[in-house]
Amino acid sequence: KQEVTQIPAALSVPEGENLVLNCSFTDSAIYNLQWFRQDPGKGLTSLLLIQSSQREQTSGRLNASLDKSSGRSTLYIAASQPGDSATYLCAVRPRGSTLGRLYFGRGTQLTVWP
Amino acid sequence: GAGVSQSPSNKVTEKGKDVELRCDPISGHTALYWYRQSLGQGLEFLIYFQGNSAPDKSGLPSDRFSAERTGGSVSTLTIQRTQQEDSAVYLCASNSGGPNTGELFFGEGSRLTVL
Repeated sequence: KQEVTQIPAALSVPEGENLVLNCSFTDSAIYNLQWFRQDPGKGLTSLLLIQSSQREQTSGRLNASLDKSSGRSTLYIAASQPGDSATYLCAVRPRGSTLGRLYFGRGTQLTVWP
Repeated sequence: GAGVSQSPSNKVTEKGKDVELRCDPISGHTALYWYRQSLGQGLEFLIYFQGNSAPDKSGLPSDRFSAERTGGSVSTLTIQRTQQEDSAVYLCASNSGGPNTGELFFGEGSRLTVL
């Protein structure tokens, strides 16, 4: 069974810092990996989707990398801002699962203070 | 619609009552998921619909939980004889295409409180 772990569980940094959030998964046989953001009391917002054949994806100040063989992904946030404060979750879609279920990590709760 | 729509956004009910939660996926999305998020917990998979295929019900926690998807679009999650441990945010998501493609898009969730 696929297990997804996110480290750290919580992170508090001053505005302007560059950040790295980590996601690891136990089974490297995946179709894709997706990073989400969740604000308190809200649903999940998709940030980046990386297909298994890709190494990284970028959107604005966000960059996500994927090392499938080692079962790791990182989300890099450049020049962090207070508006980046949220919980960040990663999810993998495993191969061999005929009906496409995703497995989620518990998330990293990020606080960026001014 | 423009996004995944869920209703109600909040539901407070008494223990033992039945509740229905509704999800309207993005137009044209063939895949629809229900997840549950309890306070301080991760996302718990409940059920997955893909087109006309038989749904994956493997995540439903008990036979009090059921879901249907009518006409390949709107889905309803029903919880019978609610218990306090059913209190959670129920999230619906949809995407297009098969299992190896497409971003997953979530609704805002339905917060269920069982008194």
